[in-house]
Amino acid sequence: QKEVEQDPGPLSVPEGAIVSLNCTYSNSAFQYFMWYRQYSRKGPELLMYTYSSGNKEDGRFTAQVDKSSKYISLFIRDSQPSDSATYLCAMSAGDTGRRALTFGSGTRLQVQP
Amino acid sequence: DAGVTQSPTHLIKTRGQQVTLRCSPKSGHDTVSWYQQALGQEPQFIFQYYEEEERQRGNFPDRFSGHQFPNYSSELNVNALLLGDSALYLCASSFEETQYFGPGTRLLVL
Repeated sequence: QKEVEQDPGPLSVPEGAIVSLNCTYSNSAFQYFMWYRQYSRKGPELLMYTYSSGNKEDGRFTAQVDKSSKYISLFIRDSQPSDSATYLCAMSAGDTGRRALTFGSGTRLQVQP
Repeated sequence: DAGVTQSPTHLIKTRGQQVTLRCSPKSGHDTVSWYQQALGQEPQFIFQYYEEEERQRGNFPDRFSGHQFPNYSSELNVNALLLGDSALYLCASSFEETQYFGPGTRLLVL
């Protein structure tokens, strides 16, 4: 069983919809949580980074962490066609700059105009 | 401020050959990590360098080796290439905080 599980999708939504992306994990040592967006054939782009349970908001994006349930989410409000990409959750057991990241398998999102 | 840069962007090799990929970190970043991303898969951690030493290593054979230079740039070397080494190789740089990825080098092994 993988340490990080993520629904691969694809997820197709109409423009303007609220999108919910989720990951579960089994390793209690994971303390830092990230969401990356990856366009086809490009490197992952950091969207959100958090290390505490609760919500963190940045523009149209909200990251939610529930360490007791080992569950993290990314919400995208007012989704746009330009949000169409693969979204990867990632986590690490310590300061992320000096630790290996473990990724979920990624969720492919398609926002229809 | 230039982000993480990688070279070359694309590379084609044949089985058994050796390859060297290069990475320059963001300004102010002293740590470089390398990941392999096979088509349709998530990135897998290869190893991490800071202070010019390999600090952590993922589950990759010793055909994969690396180096970090005093200016923090890094190289990834892969010997005796296999067809299964075909992938996008990602470099990520960091300084205490989280990792920022470069555009990757796409390696095709024929």
